[in-house]
Amino acid sequence: GQNIDQPTEMTATEGAIVQINCTYQTSGFNGLFWYQQHAGEAPTFLSYNVLDGLEEKGRFSSFLSRSKGYSYLLLKELQMKDSASYLCAVMDSNYQLIWGAGTKLIIKP
Amino acid sequence: SQTIHQWPATLVQPVGSPLSLECTVEGTSNPNLYWYRQAAGRGLQLLFYSVGIGQISSEVPQNLSASRPQDRQFILSSKKLLLSDSGFYLCAWRLAGEDTGELFFGEGSRLTVL
Repeated sequence: GQNIDQPTEMTATEGAIVQINCTYQTSGFNGLFWYQQHAGEAPTFLSYNVLDGLEEKGRFSSFLSRSKGYSYLLLKELQMKDSASYLCAVMDSNYQLIWGAGTKLIIKP
Repeated sequence: SQTIHQWPATLVQPVGSPLSLECTVEGTSNPNLYWYRQAAGRGLQLLFYSVGIGQISSEVPQNLSASRPQDRQFILSSKKLLLSDSGFYLCAWRLAGEDTGELFFGEGSRLTVL
């Protein structure tokens, strides 16, 4: 079956760095997405990786290793507004998105 | 610019009652449209998607249905709600032909079935 695994919850301190991991097993691979979702709101797009390596976008970076079925989202200089759930999703060979359950990130002052 | 709206934002319905959630997209033509359900502690579950007017693909057999009466309108319905239908429903769109493109989500509709 197809599976996306990411930690349920993480806690970090304001100003620090946090890495949210995502491992996947899917039927084929057409890219991996990260979305941010604040409580009670819609998910918003953060990043898309289809090739191995690190993609940097401001304070957020996303890494992909296709051979390991692994990705991480790196958040630097954490701010209180970064408290949210972070969703990992993989597009399979049929271009269907398989979603992880999300990682709830709690930022403490 | 493109916008997506869905309503109502919050809905409390008794078991056995009907349901209608609406979603409209503005600022683009012939988008691919999606209905997702998000249950607590679980990933987004794709319910229906549509690549054009009147074209609906169902991903999960259930008592829900979807319709696309107009190019930028997507409706999620049920004739008789079940307790298990409670959840957070999200409408989304993507540019046609961009299979790996970004999904844009509506504000979400919180449904509680009592």
